[in-house]
Amino acid sequence: KNQVEQSPQSLIILEGKNCTLQCNYTVSPFSNLRWYKQDTGRGPVSLTIMTFSENTKSNGRYTATLDADTKQSSLHITASQLSDSASYICAEGTYKYIFGTGTRLKVLA
Amino acid sequence: DGGITQSPKYLFRKEGQNVTLSCEQNLNHDAMYWYRQDPGQGLRLIYYSQIVNDFQKGDIAEGYSVSREKKESFPLTVTSAQKNPTAFYLCASSMAGGIRSNQPQHFGDGTRLSIL
Repeated sequence: KNQVEQSPQSLIILEGKNCTLQCNYTVSPFSNLRWYKQDTGRGPVSLTIMTFSENTKSNGRYTATLDADTKQSSLHITASQLSDSASYICAEGTYKYIFGTGTRLKVLA
Repeated sequence: DGGITQSPKYLFRKEGQNVTLSCEQNLNHDAMYWYRQDPGQGLRLIYYSQIVNDFQKGDIAEGYSVSREKKESFPLTVTSAQKNPTAFYLCASSMAGGIRSNQPQHFGDGTRLSIL
């Protein structure tokens, strides 16, 4: 069964600290791996899209990595800000995307 | 500014009633999608359309219907056959190539539907 699993389910960090969110997928064959940021009550916003040939992709303070061998992706947030408080969702798919349940990040002052 | 507009933001449905959720985009995107988001679950695809006057069922299409008469518009009707309609509904669009594309999906800010 094609699945996308994210960990941790929730995370609390202090402002200025770094954090890493994990995404494991079992979808096959691989198409692309996407990370989204979703603020409460809003729609998701695309952060990165990674294809099979890409190992790392950055968008400002957000850096996504992809290991196609282990079917794992991570999203690293550097120097966190209060505005980073949101849910982070990864998704993968070949035809219809499968979304993970997200990691809820809370950044405290 | 270009984007996707969903309306209304909140909607209430009575038993046996059909309701229609609006989704309009001015991004000139060919493909449009409807997702349902429930607490503790990932987004699930209801319907998608890659071109005007054509659409396909997603994973959870039962109890829903759509139309795509204009490129800019992709309304979703939640029918009385949908027995558990309470959820957050998200509309998205992307450039040509639809779901297979490596283009980003742009999402609206959702409609929260509740049952009276």
